[in-house]
Amino acid sequence: GAVVSQHPSRVICKSGTSVKIECRSLDFQATTMFWYRQFPKQSLMLMATSNEGSKATYEQGVEKDKFLINHASLTLSTLTVTSAHPEDSSFYICSAQKTGLPGELFFGEGSRLTVL
Amino acid sequence: EDQVTQSPEALRLQEGESSSLNCSYTVSGLRGLFWYRQDPGKGPEFLFTLYSAGEEKEKERLKATLTKKESFLHITAPKPEDSATYLCAVRISGGYQKVTFGIGTKLQVIP
Repeated sequence: GAVVSQHPSRVICKSGTSVKIECRSLDFQATTMFWYRQFPKQSLMLMATSNEGSKATYEQGVEKDKFLINHASLTLSTLTVTSAHPEDSSFYICSAQKTGLPGELFFGEGSRLTVL
Repeated sequence: EDQVTQSPEALRLQEGESSSLNCSYTVSGLRGLFWYRQDPGKGPEFLFTLYSAGEEKEKERLKATLTKKESFLHITAPKPEDSATYLCAVRISGGYQKVTFGIGTKLQVIP
């Protein structure tokens, strides 16, 4: 199997606070994980590529100081939205890639962030 | 610029009414085309990978095909539980692992 677990599934926070979202590959090791953001009626937008043991690669226009990504082990990557504001409210989805199967991404359940 | 375009944006079918979803792409150096299913409020679920023109993959009522310009996801005799958004994605050559997604086709199958 290829199960990716994402937590929390829903989070509501006050403006100015930070929120951490975890992404775990449960039954395989993932040297590479990806973080996406999805707005209603829009495609998945890649935010950053997370590589175990090294700095994440951010897509153009994504603030690395606002969206902190840590990939400390082969099964866990975290996304921290720092000093969240209402415009950060969105659906965040992580995915993990099995070694040797590039492009076959296995996704977590997603995290709905609402910033008040 | 690499682009992935899916059509139609939305499709409504009667149960048992077969149809096809389209994914056209303009990329330099395709390294793989992927189909995913996404239910509301959930992460995408992997369906198929296609690597070369002429390739076909099947899973239950779904069949994916690939040409040099587009891919089709054929749905045969759909059931209400097939209702979902179907996403197409491509990976291009160049050593970078980025996968680009289309906007998806929202399929509704009516009993």
